[in-house]
Formats: sequence, structure tokens, C-alpha cells
Amino acid sequence: GQNIDQPTEMTATEGAIVQINCTYQTSGFNGLFWYQQHAGEAPTFLSYNVLDGLEEKGRFSSFLSRSKGYSYLLLKELQMKDSASYLCACMDSNYQLIWGAGTKLIIKP
Amino acid sequence: GAVVSQHPSRVICKSGTSVKIECRSLDFQATTMFWYRQFPKQSLMLMATSNEGSKATYEQGVEKDKFLINHASLTLSTLTVTSAHPEDSSFYICSARDGGGQETQYFGPGTRLLVL
Repeated sequence: GQNIDQPTEMTATEGAIVQINCTYQTSGFNGLFWYQQHAGEAPTFLSYNVLDGLEEKGRFSSFLSRSKGYSYLLLKELQMKDSASYLCACMDSNYQLIWGAGTKLIIKP
Repeated sequence: GAVVSQHPSRVICKSGTSVKIECRSLDFQATTMFWYRQFPKQSLMLMATSNEGSKATYEQGVEKDKFLINHASLTLSTLTVTSAHPEDSSFYICSARDGGGQETQYFGPGTRLLVL
């Protein structure tokens, strides 16, 4: 079956760094996406990885290892506004997104 | 770029009435649009996949006669909740896929439906 696993909740301190992990098992693979979703709002696109390695975009970076079925989202210099849910999603061989349940990130002062 | 709008943002209706929600891709053509539903503190649930000019593909457990989807153009898809009931109250979110290689889904801002 297809499965995406990510932690349910994480807590970090303002100014620090946090890494949110995601492991996946899908039928085929056409890329992995990370989305940010603030409470009561729709998800917004953060990153896309289809090749192994690290993609850096400002304070946010995303890493992919296809052989391990593993990705992480790295958030640096955390700000209070980064408190949100972070959704990992894989695109399978049919170009359908398989969603993780999301990781709720709580930032403390 | 890659902006998706959704209208209305919030709607309150009486039980038994129908509600139409519009989803538009503003600066790109979306051959495929998706409709999701999200209950409070729960994950996104895909309801249906809508391809321009063809019938929508519904996920298991989603009633196609209750949730009517029309994707008449490359920039517009509509979801009509027919004979709405209080249990249909939810956050409905559309997304449009940019078919330019990366296949990224961009989300509309969502529609909060409350059925009294």
C-alpha cells in the first residue's frame, strides 16, 4: 500500500533550527512536495524535490533520498509565524498526490 | 505566478439548499483541478479529481450525485454541494495543477461552509 509517515507534532524555540522528517512508500515516484498550512487556511507550496539532494530556499531547505524513501524539511532561524502544520506529499506513478497527515510545529519564545 | 482563487470564502446556508463553489486558476491553465475537504484538526481529504472537458473522478465514499463537479474550461472548476446537510459543514479547498513539468498543485484559499 501507499503510506506517508511524519511526526504528529514538534516543538522548537524561536531562532533555532528544526528538521521535520517524512518517510514514504508509494507505487512509483514523481516527486515529493512540502506544504505549509496555517490554522484555518489552505496549504501553501514550499518545495519540490524529485532528485536526491538538498534544495535550499531562504530559511527553508528540503532534502530527498529516493533510495531510502526519506525526505526532510529544515527550517532555520525559526520565527513565531512559522508555527503551522507542515504537510509532506508524494506524487505517485499516476501523478496523484499521496498526503501525509501533517506535522504541527509549535514555536515557543 | 500560480495563483488560484476560490469563491465564496465563506457561506452559510440552510439545510436542503445547494451551494456552488468556484475555483479559478488566475495566471495559468490547469488541465487538472482537485477538490479537498478538511474537517477541523484533521488531514486534507481528496474528494475528486477534475479534468477539463471530462467527468470528474471521485474518491471512494464521496457521492458524485451530491458533490457535482464541473470543469468547463482550463481555468474554472465548480463544486456544487446539493441538498446540503449540517454534516456537510467543512472547509472545502480546491487546487489546480500546473502541468508545466513540475506538476505542482497550488491551492485556493478555501471555502468555509456552514449548513444550519
